[in-house]
Amino acid sequence: QITLKESGPTLVKPTQTLTLTCTFSGFSLSTSGMAVGWIRQPPGKALEWLTLIYWDDDKRFSPSLRSRLTITKDTSKSQVVLTVTNMAPVDTATYYCAHRSTIGKNAFDYWGLGTLVTVSS
Amino acid sequence: EIVLTQSPGTLSLSPGERATLSCRASQSVSSSYLAWYQQKPGQAPRLLMYGASSRATGIPDRFSGSGSGTDFTLTISRLEPEDFAVYYCQQYGSSPLCSFGQGTKLEIK
Repeated sequence: QITLKESGPTLVKPTQTLTLTCTFSGFSLSTSGMAVGWIRQPPGKALEWLTLIYWDDDKRFSPSLRSRLTITKDTSKSQVVLTVTNMAPVDTATYYCAHRSTIGKNAFDYWGLGTLVTVSS
Repeated sequence: EIVLTQSPGTLSLSPGERATLSCRASQSVSSSYLAWYQQKPGQAPRLLMYGASSRATGIPDRFSGSGSGTDFTLTISRLEPEDFAVYYCQQYGSSPLCSFGQGTKLEIK
């Protein structure tokens, strides 16, 4: 069974860097076809895709946020880390990590519960 | 850049009725990479449909998806009380690599 869980700070100050960790189980990010993505959702608003990392360390980013995002994986720890630089109040959102396989569904089929990050001084 | 536009923004229906949700893309999207998600308040999204018309594991057969190119539809044949939620379509593979529609809220009339 695949599970994912996000962890990190719930409150960050403007201009700070946010670091979130996605810890997963039930699959390996060293297996061909596997990927983990980050999606966020401001309160009361729609989902926004941020970034995706593949089993072969290929990385893709939302064009609008590319300059502020970093994604890395630690296969041995079954973790994916997202960093977002220069946080602002508009970045207040629930941040989700999700599993994706490029074989079969080609969709985000398993999601973490999400973690709400508030940006405020 | 592909933009997904969902309509209507809000759909008010009664249990037992049929719901038809639309997702229109600004450019052609591969059907293989069109998905639908359901989200209830306080919960993470749940995958409903992938490949435009394939139901995800555990999704009841009252849910169906169709469409190709720029026009896709999610249909719920007979609404159950637990179906009232927000629904998002999502495309993958075209610039940007991944994007979501703005959502359709399905509410009880």
